[in-house]
Amino acid sequence: DTEVTQTPKHLVMGMTNKKSLKCEQHMGHRAMYWYKQKAKKPPELMFVYSYEKLSINESVPSRFSPECPNSSLLNLHLHALQPEDSALYLCASSQPGQGVQPQHFGDGTRLSIL
Amino acid sequence: GQQVMQIPQYQHVQEGEDFTTYCNSSTTLSNIQWYKQRPGGHPVFLIQLVKSGEVKKQKRLTFQFGEAKKNSSLHITATQTTDVGTYFCAGRRRRGSTLGRLYFGRGTQLTVWP
Repeated sequence: DTEVTQTPKHLVMGMTNKKSLKCEQHMGHRAMYWYKQKAKKPPELMFVYSYEKLSINESVPSRFSPECPNSSLLNLHLHALQPEDSALYLCASSQPGQGVQPQHFGDGTRLSIL
Repeated sequence: GQQVMQIPQYQHVQEGEDFTTYCNSSTTLSNIQWYKQRPGGHPVFLIQLVKSGEVKKQKRLTFQFGEAKKNSSLHITATQTTDVGTYFCAGRRRRGSTLGRLYFGRGTQLTVWP
């Protein structure tokens, strides 16, 4: 059982749709992450939030818009996506800082763009 | 460019055989973590190594961190079908990294024949 909950588990959307991915954790973690993972590839970091502030944006296209409403929630707003954006989107959380802090991943949202 | 190299990309073994995956970084790491991702699942944290030359064991799994903190390995003794999955190493750079940014290796996909 994962302690990081992601919804929805699956999402199919057209290129003109607007949708949002949601992530929630109640472990008291203050760092939250969005990753994109293609088949047979490692997770690719997209965004990092620390103490509800965006701290890392890995040059992600503006059609992906993250939001961190509070310390437990992380959203990823999607708009005008491309077929190549089809992937597994993983949320993770950890305690922030330079120390050894394992990341806890959610089950992910499998996104398909038609 | 890729920060952490991992080999092999694929490994097929018969149940009972041993398995090893190797990671190498071009820069000194502050620590390295290992994750396992089952087919259709999400990455699950296995262990973290911090000290130079550190060796840790978890049942049949042995993890090593090199003396220079630039390489690491995961060795599984007498593989079982439950070991199937992709094993990722993920390192933190010694300097310049912030807020827990991990550099993932490409992963080694392990298949175990019964």
